[in-house]
Amino acid sequence: EPEVTQTPSHQVTQMGQEVILRCVPISNHLYFYWYRQILGQKVEFLVSFYNNEISEKSEIFDDQFSVERPDGSNFTLKIRSTKLEDSAMYFCASIPQAPPYTFGSGTRLTVV
Amino acid sequence: QKEVEQDPGPLSVPEGAIVSLNCTYSNSAFQYFMWYRQYSRKGPELLMYTYSSGNKEDGRFTAQVDKSSKYISLFIRDSQPSDSATYLCAMSGAGNQFYFGTGTSLTVIP
Repeated sequence: EPEVTQTPSHQVTQMGQEVILRCVPISNHLYFYWYRQILGQKVEFLVSFYNNEISEKSEIFDDQFSVERPDGSNFTLKIRSTKLEDSAMYFCASIPQAPPYTFGSGTRLTVV
Repeated sequence: QKEVEQDPGPLSVPEGAIVSLNCTYSNSAFQYFMWYRQYSRKGPELLMYTYSSGNKEDGRFTAQVDKSSKYISLFIRDSQPSDSATYLCAMSGAGNQFYFGTGTSLTVIP
């Protein structure tokens, strides 16, 4: 069964550093998403991406965040200057045209 | 008012019990409804997907959507210890953003 692949599985970074989280969505999917889940809290929407541009973003997705699809397969989330409160699980998801989502296994980001 | 409300539990049941998990929502535009299972520090795994109102059954799992009451349910029959996890409801309208409940932690005791 096709999977959404995320790397790395765990990233530790110092506050103020830039991080890039990587995702390989399912190949025939058209819509891509990033969500995050702070430990013990609900899954929160960050951004959706379609046709090489952001289609929707949440209040969380401020100027520190950016997304990119640098080639035909990868989808990345960049956090420019990490803060302690950015520590969370980050999930990539994709859909062909309509729900449901397929989620990746997540990247655990720890900012120290 | 929160978009999606879900009782966080924890819920503890004996093996073989019927489990009922519920979510309520406020946005009448929601039409896609999903239940995900999540193990600790793992990605959500899709269990059930329903479009609009009605029931859907898959093995021991049954999903129900009542749009008139803005209420969705997931029933697990003959619960097993392997069902122990956090169960998330998620829903969306015409836009692609999904709204998640906080998750209900379920433990099935052998």
